[in-house]
Amino acid sequence: ELKVEQNPLFLSMQEGKNYTIYCNYSTTSDRLYWYRQDPGKSLESLFVLLSNGAVKQEGRLMASLDTKARLSTLHITAAVHDLSATYFCAVATFYNTDKLIFGTGTRLQVFP
Amino acid sequence: DAGITQSPRHKVTETGTPVTLRCHQTENHRYMYWYRQDPGHGLRLIHYSYGVKDTDKGEVSDGYSVSRSKTEDFLLTLESATSSQTSVYFCAIWGTGYNEQFFGPGTRLTVL
Repeated sequence: ELKVEQNPLFLSMQEGKNYTIYCNYSTTSDRLYWYRQDPGKSLESLFVLLSNGAVKQEGRLMASLDTKARLSTLHITAAVHDLSATYFCAVATFYNTDKLIFGTGTRLQVFP
Repeated sequence: DAGITQSPRHKVTETGTPVTLRCHQTENHRYMYWYRQDPGHGLRLIHYSYGVKDTDKGEVSDGYSVSRSKTEDFLLTLESATSSQTSVYFCAIWGTGYNEQFFGPGTRLTVL
């Protein structure tokens, strides 16, 4: 059974600092996704990572994938308040059901 | 953005009453999903559908049933609502090439 673990669950960081969110998964997977969710809103797609060594960047966010370690990271560079949100990783199982298994989420708060 | 709507957006009901949530898509996608979101659990799959009249259980299906009589509509029914089913419910479909799963706006359900 595929399990996805994220850490930390909660992250409070100062503007201008760097930090990394970690996403570990338990079995081989085809793809890994990162989503953002603002309070009271739906989920917004950030990145999809398709292969070992894949790296995607958008603004101050950079995601990477190491399939051998079954690990993805979401790195935040020089955080700003607008990045405050909950971030989820999700892993796809395409063997027969096309399901996504989500991590528990990381709630990020950026303060001045 | 994918055309996914959910109704109702908010509902308050009493324990023991039946409740039906509707997900409607305009993208003609084969697969549709129902998730629930609870603090500390991320999103968990309830049921999914891989075609008209074709559905299967997810990881938290107890107490829920689904139906799909048309490609565009996927209904989630709580036959007898319980307080443990108080949650935010999201419907989702895949985008082109499985590059992301698009989520509806969510339904906030409170069972008193």
